[in-house]
Amino acid sequence: DVRLTQSPSFLSASVGDRVTITCRASQGISNYLAWYQQRPGKAPSLLIYAASTLQTGVPSRFSGSGSGTEFTLTISSLQAEDVATYYCQQVHTYPLFSFGPGTRVDIK
Amino acid sequence: LLVDSGGDLVQAGGSLRLSCAASGFTVGDSQMTWVRQAPGKGLEWVSLFYRGGSTYYADSVTGRFTISRDTSKNAVFLQMNSLRAEDTATYYCARIGVLTAPTGPSDGFDVWGQGTVVTVSS
Repeated sequence: DVRLTQSPSFLSASVGDRVTITCRASQGISNYLAWYQQRPGKAPSLLIYAASTLQTGVPSRFSGSGSGTEFTLTISSLQAEDVATYYCQQVHTYPLFSFGPGTRVDIK
Repeated sequence: LLVDSGGDLVQAGGSLRLSCAASGFTVGDSQMTWVRQAPGKGLEWVSLFYRGGSTYYADSVTGRFTISRDTSKNAVFLQMNSLRAEDTATYYCARIGVLTAPTGPSDGFDVWGQGTVVTVSS
């Protein structure tokens, strides 16, 4: 099974800051990685797929990169509405589409 | 749009059937999945209904949960038997979209229900 880790588990930053979250896979998964945002009390929503492709409607301040075992999600200028928990997910090992443990993002 | 329903408080050992009603697309043409989230915890993939009819389960629910589909109702279901306290969670239905990327097609859970809460008392 592919296991995912995320760092940090929690971060607090100011509005306008650049924020980076890292996701690491226990084995190479090419670019078969997705990122989700889950705002408090809401269902998750897809942000990025194929490691770096922005889902329709997602603001351009979000970006993803990486391949193989290391991936990053970047928010170029943090906004108040970005307060959420962010999860990475591998879609390489079908059908066991495992998620990372999540990174909670808050405003300082 | 997906609408989840059927969550309830149930005793350990009991059963529950969750429903996921779709609109705007056809479940028969899609792969559908259930994901759960225990209180204060992360996301856990639970089950998948492949387009062709194959079904898959996480080890934690194999033999106890059954996913099914009714194309006449455009809905997906999760029958949960022999429930345990550790099954307590919010359950989300989602569609696995085949998404177009510059590098080729890729999967992603692109439509989600609002979730339905299952509480198992011991």
